[in-house]
Amino acid sequence: GAGVSQSPSNKVTEKGKDVELRCDPISGHTALYWYRQRLGQGLEFLIYFQGNSAPDKSGLPSDRFSAERTGESVSTLTIQRTQQEDSAVYLCASSLGTAYIYEQYFGPGTRLTVT
Amino acid sequence: AQTVTQSQPEMSVQEAETVTLSCTYDTSENNYYLFWYKQPPSRQMILVIRQEAYKQQNATENRFSVNFQKAAKSFSLKISDSQLGDTAMYFCALTQGGSEKLVFGKGMKLTVNP
Repeated sequence: GAGVSQSPSNKVTEKGKDVELRCDPISGHTALYWYRQRLGQGLEFLIYFQGNSAPDKSGLPSDRFSAERTGESVSTLTIQRTQQEDSAVYLCASSLGTAYIYEQYFGPGTRLTVT
Repeated sequence: AQTVTQSQPEMSVQEAETVTLSCTYDTSENNYYLFWYKQPPSRQMILVIRQEAYKQQNATENRFSVNFQKAAKSFSLKISDSQLGDTAMYFCALTQGGSEKLVFGKGMKLTVNP
C-alpha cells in the first residue's frame, strides 16, 4: 500500500515569504507527527496530531509556525515570514496510535531552503 | 528533560563484518521506550528495532540486536554480517510512556565498504 507522502520534495523560498508543506499520511493512521531535521542534526519534534486535534504543540519553535489537519488525513505545516534558520528538512510521520506502541512511518521529507 | 547522545559521528565497516553503534540516554522516567532508526540517502526514516525499558531481554531483529544496559543508560545497536545496504545514518531515539514525543540523538553515519 501507499506510504506517507510529502509535497513538495524541495522548496526554495525567499526570506520573509510564507510556505506551506503538505503531508498525506497512511490511510487509517490516526496519529500524525511533524519533525524538523537541520543539517547534521537529529530530528526535532514539532507537533503531534491525534485525529484533527493537536494535543502536543510544544515543539513549534515560534508563532510563525502553525499546523492543521483535516480529519484523519492530510496535514499542512505553515511557516510564515520565513527566516534563514528555518532551512531544514521537514519530516512527517504517521502511526496507528500512540508513539511507544505503534511504529511511526515516515515520509521522505520536504527540503526547505530559505535564501 | 530527556536527552539522547550519540558520541560517534561516523564509522565504517567491511562488508560481512560486525559493527556496534553506541547510544546513551538520560531520563527520569521508569517507563520509556528506545528505538534505533535508519535513514538512507533517500531521507526516509525506517525503524530498525525497539526496546521497552521494562523488558530485561535484549531485542533482536534478524541481523540487528541491541545491548540494553538500563543502569548505565546505554542502548547500543549491533549489526551482524554488515551489508552494503546498511550504509545510512543511524539515529537512536527515546520516548517515555504517555508522551508522543520522540527525542532523537544527532545520528551516526555508517558506511559499509565492499
